[in-house]
Amino acid sequence: GQQVMQIPQYQHVQEGEDFTTYCNSSTTLSNIQWYKQRPGGHPVFLIQLVKSGEVKKQKRLTFQFGEAKKNSSLHITATQTTDVGTYFCAGPSGNQFYFGTGTSLTVIP
Amino acid sequence: NAGVTQTPKFQVLKTGQSMTLQCAQDMNHNSMYWYRQDPGMGLRLIYYSASEGTTDKGEVPNGYNVSRLNKREFSLRLESAAPSQTSVYFCASSEAARTVGYTFGSGTRLTVV
Repeated sequence: GQQVMQIPQYQHVQEGEDFTTYCNSSTTLSNIQWYKQRPGGHPVFLIQLVKSGEVKKQKRLTFQFGEAKKNSSLHITATQTTDVGTYFCAGPSGNQFYFGTGTSLTVIP
Repeated sequence: NAGVTQTPKFQVLKTGQSMTLQCAQDMNHNSMYWYRQDPGMGLRLIYYSASEGTTDKGEVPNGYNVSRLNKREFSLRLESAAPSQTSVYFCASSEAARTVGYTFGSGTRLTVV
């Protein structure tokens, strides 16, 4: 099946610092999705990227899809305590999405 | 709208017992999914139903069965629970199979002792 690798697995940052998580696929993806899961909660859909080189922004979050459509990144500028959680990318294969193992973000006040 | 509703929220089973996890969505979505989440393993697909009347295996289907009862409901059954099935189970739905985001339920925390 599809392999979607995510790094890093954990990240601790001081509040106000930036944060980036990376997602890499062994094959070309038709699209990629990003989700956020708060501690004790369920995954919540954030965004879908479809085009090669696409960049989308949601307030302090910037999502990027690589030119070769094999990698993606999520960058958070000036983290806040509300950003705490695990961020997952997901890539399609067949009729389903395969989720990465996630990056757990801790923000230290 | 309630979105995706899962029951129960918590369950403790003894090894060998059976149970059914219920999932219902009120968004008129065509596709529904069952995932399990274990520490460090991300979300792994157990079974999915791309549309009403169809079901297919995901990455980790062994020990599970599913039923797409109608367009709204998709249940997951453990016939003989094992400690390895201790996990958090999430149901999700989407309008189409792989082109739009998933809406997840709040999860069922299952412990098998």
